[in-house]
Amino acid sequence: NAGVMQNPRHLVRRRGQEARLRCSPMKGHSHVYWYRQLPEEGLKFMVYLQKENIIDESGMPKERFSAEFPKEGPSILRIQQVVRGDSAAYFCASSPRLAGGPGEQYFGPGTRLTVT
Amino acid sequence: GQNIDQPTEMTATEGAIVQINCTYQTSGFNGLFWYQQHAGEAPTFLSYNVLDGLEEKGRFSSFLSRSKGYSYLLLKELQMKDSASYLCAVTTDSWGKFQFGAGTQVVVTP
Repeated sequence: NAGVMQNPRHLVRRRGQEARLRCSPMKGHSHVYWYRQLPEEGLKFMVYLQKENIIDESGMPKERFSAEFPKEGPSILRIQQVVRGDSAAYFCASSPRLAGGPGEQYFGPGTRLTVT
Repeated sequence: GQNIDQPTEMTATEGAIVQINCTYQTSGFNGLFWYQQHAGEAPTFLSYNVLDGLEEKGRFSSFLSRSKGYSYLLLKELQMKDSASYLCAVTTDSWGKFQFGAGTQVVVTP
């Protein structure tokens, strides 16, 4: 049973380019979360999605960032016109259908984005 | 505002016990999780508390006091491979949005 998959593992972009980060949740998991981890800092919640729905995007910067989780295919975190401050590790986590409360989240290996 | 505090770093000797404290001030509470994260790797789930008391899982135990906004993770019989960052995370709603502390770096020495 494959775990949460993320690709690419490392991504280098020049300032102004677009970054697309992909996440395939664990089989049977319908909840996807994206987190950002800056160097020497903790994980910060960005967005929570279910299939075809954004449930909570309160942690997403208002501009340049978007996320989707289509009916078919992986969840995508998209960063347009990247800046140096976007350099970070981006982790995706998935969780099974909730029954009476939150379940543990299973994290992918992360995508390390470097903006030059 | 939301606040989750844990010490930055702790050092302990192989075979010893270490207790990592986590205090939280959040608007609402629906569970507290502990994760382990080795450098450059994904966080892995260790334990979950939603009711007051102690949860034991092998060498790891976690305790929760909701009235005090306090939890600790206890690591017994420390091994070198336990050197990692330990993350405290609180959920405040039913669907599991996590708020993480900055993590406690545990260094195990021979």
